[in-house]
Amino acid sequence: EDKVVQSPLSLVVHEGDTVTLNCSYEVTNFRSLLWYKQEKKAPTFLFMLTSSGIEKKSGRLSSILDKKELSSILNITATQTGDSAIYLCAVMGFGNEKLTFGTGTRLTIIP
Amino acid sequence: NAGVTQTPKFQVLKTGQSMTLQCAQDMNHNSMYWYRQDPGMGLRLIYYSASEGTTDKGEVPNGYNVSRLNKREFSLRLESAAPSQTSVYFCASSEFPQGGYEQYFGPGTRLTVT
Repeated sequence: EDKVVQSPLSLVVHEGDTVTLNCSYEVTNFRSLLWYKQEKKAPTFLFMLTSSGIEKKSGRLSSILDKKELSSILNITATQTGDSAIYLCAVMGFGNEKLTFGTGTRLTIIP
Repeated sequence: NAGVTQTPKFQVLKTGQSMTLQCAQDMNHNSMYWYRQDPGMGLRLIYYSASEGTTDKGEVPNGYNVSRLNKREFSLRLESAAPSQTSVYFCASSEFPQGGYEQYFGPGTRLTVT
């Protein structure tokens, strides 16, 4: 059974700080790892990492996949109050159309 | 494009009542999914459909049924609601297997069963 563990469960930082969120996984025949941001409603897609694309960056957000350590990190630099959200990590294996989600990290940015 | 839409946004049911949650997507996606989200439990897959006419069980299918009415629509039915089904329900879709694996989510339905 696939498994995703995220840490920390919650994090409170001041605006302008840099944060690192962690995701470790167990999956049969790893295909991809995805990061989502969830504010008040639906999760919105951030990044997808695969064996052929282990680093992604978009503005102040970046993510790296470590296939050896079976983990990924999501970095957010110069945080803003709009970054406050739950960040979800999910994995998919080959031969399995389903995503397995972690329970998320709740990030709170204090002005 | 509206993306993924869900109805209703909120619903309160009494134990034993039935209801159907509706989901539609206008992105011509092949796969559609139903999740429930509970505090501290993350998103758990109830059912999914890889193509029109096919459905498969996810992690927590008991107490639910689904119908993939056509490529656009995927409904979730609770035949006899129980308080344990109080949750937020999300529908999602993706291009998989013909395209990307990322799933796009609807706004959710908050269901309370008393």
